[in-house]
Amino acid sequence: DAKTTQPPSMDCAEGRAANLPCNHSTISGNEYVYWYRQIHSQGPQYIIHGLKNNETNEMASLIITEDRKSSTLILPHATLRDTAVYYCIAFEMGGGSQGNLIFGKGTKLSVKP
Amino acid sequence: DARVTQTPRHKVTEMGQEVTMRCQPILGHNTVFWYRQTMMQGLELLAYFRNRAPLDDSGMPKDRFSAEMPDATLATLKIQPSEPRDSAVYFCASGFLEGEQFFGPGTRLTVL
Repeated sequence: DAKTTQPPSMDCAEGRAANLPCNHSTISGNEYVYWYRQIHSQGPQYIIHGLKNNETNEMASLIITEDRKSSTLILPHATLRDTAVYYCIAFEMGGGSQGNLIFGKGTKLSVKP
Repeated sequence: DARVTQTPRHKVTEMGQEVTMRCQPILGHNTVFWYRQTMMQGLELLAYFRNRAPLDDSGMPKDRFSAEMPDATLATLKIQPSEPRDSAVYFCASGFLEGEQFFGPGTRLTVL
């Protein structure tokens, strides 16, 4: 799976949009971009995924650049409960790695009042 | 609200003892995963099953770890004998699609 690069930490003011970047310059055409988050002492939680097009669900939006070398996860109105470590993962469904989501170090997002 | 459940939530044991962790996947999910999380190594995949058959356990130390799915509602991860370096949080996850996994609350294991 392609390696992803994320900033180790970010701050965001409560109520503002949180924009979390991810670089995946070696991503292959078959690899999706997945985002998970892990709130302290809990299991990781799936947020969203996409291949080429931008995606939106009730939790977040995912913006993928046209060349697919980078993406941004957007939490439109961050709350204190969004404080967590956010993982960006490049993953090929049905590929040789099968179910192997490779969680890196992620970005620790701190939402401040 | 369907959730993955894991028992026990916390386990403290002495080196050399057997440890069994249990997971109840979400009903109907056909894929079950076991992960281990430590500060040093982060989150690592140990093993996973599809339709109760083991597909990959390459991340698991074979000499002391074993994973099974005796039925569709139960997955187990066993460590025998346990060692202090096995201290970690062990997560179970289930799902349909490989990428969208639903994680349980984890078992925090401490081996003294």
